Amino acid sequence: RKEVEQDPGPFNVPEGATVAFNCTYSNSASQSFFWYRQDCRKEPKLLMSVYSSGNEDGRFTAQLNRASQYISLLIRDSKLSDSATYLCVVTPGYSSASKIIFGSGTRLSIRP
Amino acid sequence: DAGVIQSPRHEVTEMGQEVTLRCKPISGHDYLFWYRQTMMRGLELLIYFNNNVPIDDSGMPEDRFSAKMPNASFSTLKIQPSEPRDSAVYFCASSFRDTEAFFGQGTRLTVV
Repeated sequence: RKEVEQDPGPFNVPEGATVAFNCTYSNSASQSFFWYRQDCRKEPKLLMSVYSSGNEDGRFTAQLNRASQYISLLIRDSKLSDSATYLCVVTPGYSSASKIIFGSGTRLSIRP
Repeated sequence: DAGVIQSPRHEVTEMGQEVTLRCKPISGHDYLFWYRQTMMRGLELLIYFNNNVPIDDSGMPEDRFSAKMPNASFSTLKIQPSEPRDSAVYFCASSFRDTEAFFGQGTRLTVV
């Protein structure tokens, strides 16, 4: 089983729609969680960290479910510019000599 | 800070040749990661260093791949001899502890 698993998509949704991705992880000792965004032919960049209590940044909401070992990303009122690949990231935490593991990414395409 | 700097940006080489990819991490970061990205396999962690020491190289495909970090400001990934299946985008990333990882722009390697 992969350490971090994501639905590869692609998700093809109309502008203005709400879309959600999940990501599961296998290491129950994982401490830090992130969502990254990668545009075509570019490097991945941090979108947002994921906190235990859940967090929101504008149209984006991230949630963590430790019991079921998954993180989620919700995008509301999607824009054309949201089209990208979204990567979930898990680390075991600094005390374990962190090893940042990326999921393989979920492709999102927003259509007009 | 200029961010993570990788060179070259593009490399085209013939099968059997030696290829050296270079990375300058962000000053002050104590972790450095080498990733490979392909359409088929997504973003794969090859090796990572903590304070210039290799911690986990289990992702290195085979003995043809080697990585060094002689000091805190420089790392290399070498492929010798190169093969067409090594064609991919190679990313270097650095982070401070288990906080956000910053990526370089990548080296697009084509082995013909």
